[in-house]
Amino acid sequence: DSGVTQTPKHLITATGQRVTLRCSPRSGDLSVYWYQQSLDQGLQFLIQYYNGEERAKGNILERFSAQQFPDLHSELNLSSLELGDSALYFCASSPLGQSNYGYTFGSGTRLTVV
Amino acid sequence: GNSVTQMEGPVTLSEEAFLTINCTYTATGYPSLFWYVQYPGEGLQLLLKATKADDKGSNKGFEATYRKETTSFHLEKGSVQVSDSAVYFCAETQGGSEKLVFGKGTKLTVNP
Repeated sequence: DSGVTQTPKHLITATGQRVTLRCSPRSGDLSVYWYQQSLDQGLQFLIQYYNGEERAKGNILERFSAQQFPDLHSELNLSSLELGDSALYFCASSPLGQSNYGYTFGSGTRLTVV
Repeated sequence: GNSVTQMEGPVTLSEEAFLTINCTYTATGYPSLFWYVQYPGEGLQLLLKATKADDKGSNKGFEATYRKETTSFHLEKGSVQVSDSAVYFCAETQGGSEKLVFGKGTKLTVNP
């Protein structure tokens, strides 16, 4: 157990729907990062939050949004889902706002859009 | 933007063989460099890291040396085991940067 908890582990939904993925960072970590892993694109950075504030944005679609709550857990919201959104979504956390020391990853949420 | 290039897999070895997975990076300056490992059905785990030139990261028999002159961070292990079968990712981050940039991953299969 890495200490980063992601729920749900698996999600199957239809095109056009909206889903919410949840992440609880490791105790004491202030930063949360979201990544999308697909076979063709590899690991793509989506967005980072640090202590409740958005810190960096990557290749995140406008249909996707995220937030980090006062208790530091984070949610990634995916809407108007398309078949191509099927992927593994990973959350990672780190103690501070810098990634020099590496992240701790959760075990991921596998999203299947049908 | 910065990128990381890993040797393409899959790589298939017999147990006790020597492993090298090549990794080169493009970030200028002195990025921190990492190797992560992903076992089937799991998230990524930090395997080793190096934060300055000529540093050697090591863990579980794996090693990688930060080579500034060749912008490389190749992963090596002298004698692989079946349990090392996984996907290995090289990654970089610039000091103060907010994200890790990952290579595409190299799948390793070790046969008994």
